[in-house]
Amino acid sequence: DQQVKQNSPSLSVQEGRISILNCDYTNSMFDYFLWYKKYPAEGPTFLISISSIKDKNEDGRFTVFLNKSAKHLSLHIVPSQPGDSAVYFCAASRPTSGTYKYIFGTGTRLKVLA
Amino acid sequence: SAVISQKPSRDICQRGTSLTIQCQVDSQVTMMFWYRQQPGQSLTLIATANQGSEATYESGFVIDKFPISRPNLTFSTLTVSNMSPEDSSIYLCSVVGAGLGEQYFGPGTRLTVT
Repeated sequence: DQQVKQNSPSLSVQEGRISILNCDYTNSMFDYFLWYKKYPAEGPTFLISISSIKDKNEDGRFTVFLNKSAKHLSLHIVPSQPGDSAVYFCAASRPTSGTYKYIFGTGTRLKVLA
Repeated sequence: SAVISQKPSRDICQRGTSLTIQCQVDSQVTMMFWYRQQPGQSLTLIATANQGSEATYESGFVIDKFPISRPNLTFSTLTVSNMSPEDSSIYLCSVVGAGLGEQYFGPGTRLTVT
């Protein structure tokens, strides 16, 4: 049972354009969502997060949108840069319940073309 | 954010042997986690390791196969016992940050079992 899904395994975007990465979840008990970026031979790096009490969180070029009714979140990167090329994982957790266990999606490989 | 190191960074092991992976954090943390990322798959939580108590294993993972030690607040080990080729994965440790629940990951240990 895949509780967190990233249906697009890969995405290619031209430099300077917007990258939109999508993530769906099935468990309505999740109340905290995160995006991680992973380069080859490195551990995942925390990018941005959003609590379920919000529908948007912005940090520089990165914005995460949360649609609770649709159980959907997305990561927007504007403008996209070649250095953004990596695998992006979304994750969901329930920190308000005292557990910090993450459920990860399967990842989307983003390639930003120069 | 915490700085996390792992040893070894990679290893090639023979079937039936065991490998112990070390995780060192530059600050004291209560909660540490061990994940596995099999080729082409998402990150899957193996267990939660809290100092002073037994590790808590996720469904599908058992202590006999993945014994964990947590002798203090900055260090943990994961042993992959009686290895088979199916254990070939990247193994990652992580810690919870000071925020609402962001986890910070080590660089990973790439294990290949032949």
